[in-house]
Amino acid sequence: IAGITQAPTSQILAAGRRMTLRCTQDMRHNAMYWYRQDLGLGLRLIHYSNTAGTTGKGEVPDGYSVSRANTDDFPLTLASAVPSQTSVYFCASSDGPARGTQYFGPGTRLTVL
Amino acid sequence: QKEVEQNSGPLSVPEGAIASLNCTYSDRGSQSFFWYRQYSGKSPELIMFIYSNGDKEDGRFTAQLNKASQYVSLLIRDSQPSDSATYLCAKSLRGAGGTSYGKLTFGQGTILTVHP
Repeated sequence: IAGITQAPTSQILAAGRRMTLRCTQDMRHNAMYWYRQDLGLGLRLIHYSNTAGTTGKGEVPDGYSVSRANTDDFPLTLASAVPSQTSVYFCASSDGPARGTQYFGPGTRLTVL
Repeated sequence: QKEVEQNSGPLSVPEGAIASLNCTYSDRGSQSFFWYRQYSGKSPELIMFIYSNGDKEDGRFTAQLNKASQYVSLLIRDSQPSDSATYLCAKSLRGAGGTSYGKLTFGQGTILTVHP
């Protein structure tokens, strides 16, 4: 693989169910991010990790959790999905001093009914 | 006021024209600015970034930053139909030694259509 992969590509989920979105990168980037993209609102940062073992909250963290056990993987978990979490989710990574230069995965389209 | 604001458009220009995309921001702190392009159904990809006042050119693209007026713009010269996409403006705090932090704040994006 090259770059960032995300799984699943799309998912329909019943409200109240638990769901983990997977993100894996092979670029050995230290920093990783999760965004959600909603029509008219642009991309909003959910959680981030500057390096393995550390995580931080972004702009819209409520209802989501993340972990960073190693450099390559950064899963995003919805403990109990709600319809307002219907969105397209993008994982991204960056490295070095220019962390605003981010590389995005292909996205996961999640629908919560 | 949103931290980063863009005119959502759509902006329509004829092929070969100059497309001008604008973004305003709040907070006068030291920041870096990024322009990302997103084709329909695809993920964002970085076009260029700027952190110093003035212009920065890369091929057909020019980013302009005016800190006094708190706006940043992206000019696309000789626009092509393949430039049709959503353009996202983003900012992040700028640290010592030229670093930029990774917590990006995005505008809502401007849809650009270049018609033949």
